[in-house]
Amino acid sequence: DTAVSQTPKYLVTQMGNDKSIKCEQNLGHDTMYWYKQDSKKFLKIMFSYNNKELIINETVPNRFSPKSPDKAHLNLHINSLELGDSAVYFCASSQDRWVTQYFGPGTRLTVL
Amino acid sequence: AQSVAQPEDQVNVAEGNPLTVKCTYSVSGNPYLFWYVQYPNRGLQFLLKYITGDNLVKGSYGFEAEFNKSQTSFHLKKPSALVSDSALYFCAVRESSSASKIIFGSGTRLSIRP
Repeated sequence: DTAVSQTPKYLVTQMGNDKSIKCEQNLGHDTMYWYKQDSKKFLKIMFSYNNKELIINETVPNRFSPKSPDKAHLNLHINSLELGDSAVYFCASSQDRWVTQYFGPGTRLTVL
Repeated sequence: AQSVAQPEDQVNVAEGNPLTVKCTYSVSGNPYLFWYVQYPNRGLQFLLKYITGDNLVKGSYGFEAEFNKSQTSFHLKKPSALVSDSALYFCAVRESSSASKIIFGSGTRLSIRP
């Protein structure tokens, strides 16, 4: 059973388009996260939700909008994609805030 | 403000030799410390953590880490490296305050040669 899953695994799109990445966890965790990993492998937190409530928004452009329909899902919608948005996006979850996190396999976004 | 540093971008070790991946941190209170590993084209996997208690923490795949408060370090170690240990390793820290978030280091690429 996959603990944290993301779709799609790869996403190639043109500048200016709008795209979404979906994340689901079947661990029963209360907290979910979105991270961005750049080409130098640096990992940066973007958002965190706890029981569907946004608790962290790390100065991410408002073109990025997370949505949590329930505590098992945290989706990421990106409007007006830019070249600099190209990265690998990881979803993660944890039982409590900021303790051991379980990561999804990542979504590699390429903006052309 | 909290921070974490991994001073080595790359560590090269021969198979069978001991390995160390270094991590130092800075927090204003008590730290929670983590090590994660990332294999190519995969998400991060949890290896071990220090919250409180014994300074020597044992984790997955034979790895261990030692919390050293005076040196503010949490180095990852393994007595005998395997080629399959080759991966990217991340140290992470957060303060024990519930409002604090986790910060990841820049990662160290570990390469084990046969």
